[in-house]
Amino acid sequence: ELKVEQNPLFLSMQEGKNYTIYCNYSTTSDRLYWYRQDPGKSLESLFVLLSNGAVKQEGRLMASLDTKARLSTLHITAAVHDLSATYFCAVERGATNKLIFGTGTLLAVQP
Amino acid sequence: EAQVTQNPRYLITVTGKKLTVTCSQNMNHEYMSWYRQDPGLGLRQIYYSMNVEVTDKGDVPEGYKVSRKEKRNFPLILESPSPNQTSLYFCASRPQGSYEQYFGPGTRLTVT
Repeated sequence: ELKVEQNPLFLSMQEGKNYTIYCNYSTTSDRLYWYRQDPGKSLESLFVLLSNGAVKQEGRLMASLDTKARLSTLHITAAVHDLSATYFCAVERGATNKLIFGTGTLLAVQP
Repeated sequence: EAQVTQNPRYLITVTGKKLTVTCSQNMNHEYMSWYRQDPGLGLRQIYYSMNVEVTDKGDVPEGYKVSRKEKRNFPLILESPSPNQTSLYFCASRPQGSYEQYFGPGTRLTVT
């Protein structure tokens, strides 16, 4: 059974600091997604990682994938308050449209 | 405007009263899904569809039904709602061969 774990579940950080969110999954998967959810809002796609060693960057967020370790990371550089949100990773096997989500990481960036 | 719409956005109902949450997308996407979001559990997929008349169970299908008679619509049916189905529900769609998923605004359901 495919399981997805995120760490940490809650992250409080100061503006300007760097930090990393981790996403581990239990069995081989074909794609890994990162999403952002603002309070009371829907989900927004951030990144999709397709292969081992894939790295994607958008602004202060950088996502990477290590398929051998079954690990993806979402690195936050020089955090700003606008990044405060809940971040989810999700994995998909095959072209099935069947996604398994992690429990999410609530990020709070303090001034 | 390209979008996924859900109706209703908020619903309070009583145990056992059948209800349907509609989902519609105007992007001609093949893939559609329903998720529920509960605190501490993230999102869990209820049902998904890869095209018209092609649906399959996700991780938590018990107590739910879906249909995909038209490409644009993917309604979620609760035949006999129970309090444990109180949740925030999201519909999503994406085109076949693409990886970007578009989520609807969500439906907050309370079953008393």
